Amino acid sequence: EAGVTQSPTHLIKTRGQQATLRCSPISGHTSVYWYQQALGLGLQFLLWYDEGEERNRGNFPPRFSGRQFPNYSSELNVNALELEDSALYLCASSPYRGRTLNQPQHFGDGTRLSIL
Amino acid sequence: QKEVEQNSGPLSVPEGAIASLNCTYSDRGSQSFFWYRQYSGKSPELIMSIYSNGDKEDGRFTAQLNKASQYVSLLIRDSQPSDSATYLCAVNPSGNTGKLIFGQGTTLQVKP
Repeated sequence: EAGVTQSPTHLIKTRGQQATLRCSPISGHTSVYWYQQALGLGLQFLLWYDEGEERNRGNFPPRFSGRQFPNYSSELNVNALELEDSALYLCASSPYRGRTLNQPQHFGDGTRLSIL
Repeated sequence: QKEVEQNSGPLSVPEGAIASLNCTYSDRGSQSFFWYRQYSGKSPELIMSIYSNGDKEDGRFTAQLNKASQYVSLLIRDSQPSDSATYLCAVNPSGNTGKLIFGQGTTLQVKP
């Protein structure tokens, strides 16, 4: 069974540009989560999508946004890139049915975003 | 107070010893608890899930949960050099948030 896949592996941008990161969940998983792991910092929750809708977002500015497609894959968009956006961006997926939130989240290999 | 706290380490143990990693959390309503292993430059890998008080064993790993004390631990028996990694404690807080709250991680070094 294929795991969570993310693309691209690395992305280099300059300040002010826009970045798009992509994620395909494990087959059968409907929930997709995005996390940021900046150097020296822990994983910080960004966004949660399920059934095509944004269910929750973390304490990040609105220039961090995304969407989930009918096949449950997801995109994370970061506009007006700033130097501090340099980080590893991790996507995770889990099955989600109603209130069954106890399922663990499985992570992809991440996209390393570098802002020059 | 941080929501999920771990000792950053490094925790150094000799090969074959038991490694004990600890985690405390602040949200009493938390229901789900996870341990992830993260090698340098890699993504977190799920190694244990625990939902109820007590011990849960899986191979060389044992997770322990004490909700009254808001404490989760991970024991690694017969530690191997390949276990050297950062271990992340993650907690699913109360409420329908979907998010996991992670500790900063404990770096484990297993010396041959």
